[in-house]
Amino acid sequence: DAMVIQNPRYQVTQFGKPVTLSCSQTLNHNVMYWYQQKSSQAPKLLFHYYDKDFNNEADTPDNFQSRRPNTSFCFLDIRSPGLGDAAMYLCATSRRQGSWTFGSGTRLTVV
Amino acid sequence: GIQVEQSPPDLILQEGANSTLRCNFSDSVNNLQWFHQNPWGQLINLFYIPSGTKQNGRLSATTVATERYSLLYISSSQTTDSGVYFCAVLGTSGTYKYIFGTGTRLKVLA
Repeated sequence: DAMVIQNPRYQVTQFGKPVTLSCSQTLNHNVMYWYQQKSSQAPKLLFHYYDKDFNNEADTPDNFQSRRPNTSFCFLDIRSPGLGDAAMYLCATSRRQGSWTFGSGTRLTVV
Repeated sequence: GIQVEQSPPDLILQEGANSTLRCNFSDSVNNLQWFHQNPWGQLINLFYIPSGTKQNGRLSATTVATERYSLLYISSSQTTDSGVYFCAVLGTSGTYKYIFGTGTRLKVLA
């Protein structure tokens, strides 16, 4: 019954080793978002897609990339994770300017 | 860009007490949502409330869009209400970017 699914829930990666987080949705929503949340802070938008149109936040590091091969899936690629990239990564979807639905998040640890 | 401030930043309650959380925003908004982030990090949607008042059990919310604020009321608080409460807004500039508020961290004591 889950509508926005993030895999995996927990990810441990080595410093500098590329890692990919995935998000899938069954809602057929146009917009998909990736947020980064560090401890005790509000989620910070990294980028979002409206359909296939990609919108990058000005302060999102180049180390972070995203792919949306179809409506249902969106991926977050971290090319060379550093210790500062350890965080919770949250995926969300919405239909145009409608309400948001979040996935359960992926907690990334960099060792 | 739009600024979203929440108050208070931290709140400690005894079980059974009532509380009001506030969200102020600096510009007109198309949408506003309240979320509860549980201890496992998941964001649970509480209310989608760009204007007006809604109630769901012990929780209710009111948004006064013309005065640029929203309130979340928690009555008869329970320990399971503990966590961080965020409001998030969508501006009117044609964007799809939701902006999160600063959050209120709530701890309910048994």
